[in-house]
Amino acid sequence: GQNIDQPTEMTATEGAIVQINCTYQTSGFNGLFWYQQHAGEAPTFLSYNVLDGLEEKGRFSSFLSRSKGYSYLLLKELQMKDSASYLCAVLDSNYQLIWGAGTKLIIKP
Amino acid sequence: ETGVTQTPRHLVMGMTNKKSLKCEQHLGHNAMYWYKQSAKKPLELMFVYNFKEQTENNSVPSRFSPECPNSSHLFLHLHTLQPEDSALYLCASSSTGTERYNEQFFGPGTRLTVL
Repeated sequence: GQNIDQPTEMTATEGAIVQINCTYQTSGFNGLFWYQQHAGEAPTFLSYNVLDGLEEKGRFSSFLSRSKGYSYLLLKELQMKDSASYLCAVLDSNYQLIWGAGTKLIIKP
Repeated sequence: ETGVTQTPRHLVMGMTNKKSLKCEQHLGHNAMYWYKQSAKKPLELMFVYNFKEQTENNSVPSRFSPECPNSSHLFLHLHTLQPEDSALYLCASSSTGTERYNEQFFGPGTRLTVL
């Protein structure tokens, strides 16, 4: 079967750095997405990785290792507005998105 | 504003009611999706339409009936639902012309409560 694993919940402090991990087992791989979802709102696109390595975009970075079936989202200089759920999703061999259950990130002052 | 709108935002219905959810995308995309999002569970893909043709039906109960009259509009007709159908229903759209990158744009969702 296909599976995406990510922690259910994480807590971090304003101004700090947090890393949210995602591991996957899917039938094929055509890229990995990270989405952010604030409570009661639509998921919004953060990043897409298809090659190994680190992609940096402002305070957010996303890393991929295809050989390990592993990705992480790194958030720096955390702000209160970063409190949200972060969803990991993999595009499989049929170009279908397989979703993780999401990681709820709580930022404390 | 994401370019994908959904109405209503909130819906409470009894198990014998019939209601419809509406989704509209203003992004010129050719594919539209219905997802169910329950607390602490992965997004569940329900239906996919590509150029108005249904290409995916993930074993969804017949009490959920989708309709896609054109590439911009998508409906989900609901009848005789069960309390376990209470969830957030998300609509999304994407452009599938370039298979390498299937970024989906989501609407704000309809929070459905079945009594």
